[in-house]
Amino acid sequence: DTEVTQTPKHLVMGMTNKKSLKCEQHMGHRAMYWYKQKAKKPPELMFVYSYEKLSINESVPSRFSPECPNSSLLNLHLHALQPEDSALYLCASSQEGKDSYEQYFGPGTRLTVT
Amino acid sequence: DQQVKQNSPSLSVQEGRISILNCDYTNSMFDYFLWYKKYPAEGPTFLISISSIKDKNEDGRFTVFLNKSAKHLSLHIVPSQPGDSAVYFCAATILTGGGNKLTFGTGTQLKVEL
Repeated sequence: DTEVTQTPKHLVMGMTNKKSLKCEQHMGHRAMYWYKQKAKKPPELMFVYSYEKLSINESVPSRFSPECPNSSLLNLHLHALQPEDSALYLCASSQEGKDSYEQYFGPGTRLTVT
Repeated sequence: DQQVKQNSPSLSVQEGRISILNCDYTNSMFDYFLWYKKYPAEGPTFLISISSIKDKNEDGRFTVFLNKSAKHLSLHIVPSQPGDSAVYFCAATILTGGGNKLTFGTGTQLKVEL
């Protein structure tokens, strides 16, 4: 099973709203990632968690706040977003410490900020 | 600074023929490379990867070739099938542990025609 699930599939929020994106995997992977993808652009890394600790933050604005409650779950809390934050948000996971470095992606959450 | 480049935004191939997708990189520190396929409204799907210590890796219809001196990799799909029509991204990473940042190319839209 190489499935990563993400909820919700679509989200529309105003600039004053607070919302959260959720990601779950049951592959026993110990690294989890958030990427952002704008239309006709490649995915860009936002955050990496390794063994439930934040290991990489790609200078993401503080209006995006990641959280890793346990080894299977990854959240992205959103607050006071701007219209330019509208994008596809992708979650991914990968093994750690083994000779396998592929990242497996979820279907994404399509976010629209109005 | 685009460290991973896919100079062909689109490619059209007849069913049954070979598809060759190309990717160039500039960062000589990259030591692991991956190819992903992406359909609209879905997350990227992992296809095949290669370590910098190899020059070829094969998996079924998919073969990846790496030329380190030229900083170039290519994905060969033989034979091409209509279901292969998608956007293909190459990605590169520096293996450090603690999760690995993937740097993606800009993508190539492959269309396999009947």
